[in-house]
Amino acid sequence: QKEVEQDPGPLSVPEGAIVSLNCTYSNSAFQYFMWYRQYSRKGPELLMYTYSSGNKEDGRFTAQVDKSSKYISLFIRDSQPSDSATYLCASHGGATNKLIFGTGTLLAVQP
Amino acid sequence: NAGVTQTPKFQVLKTGQSMTLQCAQDMNHEYMSWYRQDPGMGLRLIHYSVGAGITDQGEVPNGYNVSRSTTEDFPLRLLSAAPSQTSVYFCASSSGINSGNTIYFGEGSWLTVV
Repeated sequence: QKEVEQDPGPLSVPEGAIVSLNCTYSNSAFQYFMWYRQYSRKGPELLMYTYSSGNKEDGRFTAQVDKSSKYISLFIRDSQPSDSATYLCASHGGATNKLIFGTGTLLAVQP
Repeated sequence: NAGVTQTPKFQVLKTGQSMTLQCAQDMNHEYMSWYRQDPGMGLRLIHYSVGAGITDQGEVPNGYNVSRSTTEDFPLRLLSAAPSQTSVYFCASSSGINSGNTIYFGEGSWLTVV
C-alpha cells in the first residue's frame, strides 16, 4: 500500500464549479504537504505547499491538511477549462528526504 | 535559465541493452531525484541525492543505478533494460525538500523497452 493514496478519477466538472480533490496518507511523520499540477506530456509544477495542519489559500486555490485524520485536500473555486490537468498530492517528513506522491487525479473542466 | 534539463526526450531500447538518462540543473541545487510515472501508479521515487557523493534509494530502486559526482548532474543508468522499465522518467531538483522549497521537474524522458 502506498504511503499516499489518491482517487485517480477522472473527474469532470462544468466551468465555474467548485472542485474538491483529496488524498490520505499513512505515515504519521509526514509534516510537509504539497499539491502539484501536471499538464499532458509535461513535468509536474508546484501549486500549493502546506506545513503541518491548517489551511492555505492562494487565489482560487485552497489547500487543507487535517493531520488528525491524515487527510489532504485541494479546493479549486470558479474552475476554468485551463485548470484541466492531473493534480498530484505529495508528502514527506521525519528523518527521510523522500517525497512521496499520490497517483494523481485527472480533472477535466468543461466549458 | 535552463532549470532542469533531461536527455534524451524519447528512447527505444531492446531488452538487455543499457543506457543512461541524463539530468542536469543549473540552479546549484543540492537535492536531486529521479521518478518514474506509470498509468495508475503516479510518480514513484527511484533514487535521490542530497548532495555530491551522496545517493539513496527510493520506492522502486531495483534495476537502476545512480551516481552524483557533481552538484549539477544526476544520471540514471539502466544496466540491463527490461520491458517493465517502459515508463516516463522525470528528474527533479530542489535546494532542499524541507521548508517548502520548490521542487523543479524536468520535461520528462519517454522510454520504451521492447
